[in-house]
Amino acid sequence: KQEVTQIPAALSVPEGENLVLNCSFTDSAIYNLQWFRQDPGKGLTSLLLIQSSQREQTSGRLNASLDKSSGRSTLYIAASQPGDSATYLCAVRPGGGADGLTFGKGTHLIIQP
Amino acid sequence: DTEVTQTPKHLVMGMTNKKSLKCEQHMGHRAMYWYKQKAKKPPELMFVYSYEKLSINESVPSRFSPECPNSSLLNLHLHALQPEDSALYLCASSLAFEQFFGPGTRLTVL
Repeated sequence: KQEVTQIPAALSVPEGENLVLNCSFTDSAIYNLQWFRQDPGKGLTSLLLIQSSQREQTSGRLNASLDKSSGRSTLYIAASQPGDSATYLCAVRPGGGADGLTFGKGTHLIIQP
Repeated sequence: DTEVTQTPKHLVMGMTNKKSLKCEQHMGHRAMYWYKQKAKKPPELMFVYSYEKLSINESVPSRFSPECPNSSLLNLHLHALQPEDSALYLCASSLAFEQFFGPGTRLTVL
């Protein structure tokens, strides 16, 4: 059974810092990996999608990398802002069909003004 | 239209009530999903519909009954729920690669 682990569970940093969130998964046979953001009591916003054949994806101040063979992904946030405060979830998809996602427990991020 | 909508936003029901959650997307996605998220926990997959047919049921109790009337609409019928079923219920859809989530329905069972 696939297990997804996110480290750290919580992180609090001053505004402007660059930071890295980590995600690891036990079964490297994944189809893709998605990073989401979730604000309290809200739904999930997709941030980045990395297909299993890709190494990284970038969107604005966000960069996600994938090392499928070692079962690891990182989300890099540059020049953090208070509006980045949220829970960040990593999720893997096992197959190319209509498969559901397996999520990590998330990293709760607080950016101090 | 690039969003998944869910109604209602909040629902409070007694253990003997029957209610339904609704999810809608108009992106032409052929796979739709129900997830359950308890407080401070990650979402957990409940059901998957592919081309309007149920393809995955993650051993969900029968008091939850999904329905996909057409390619744009997904319902979750609720009956005789327990207080421990209180959670955020999330709907998602996908075409090929990326899953898009709705805002969720916050369900409280009294």
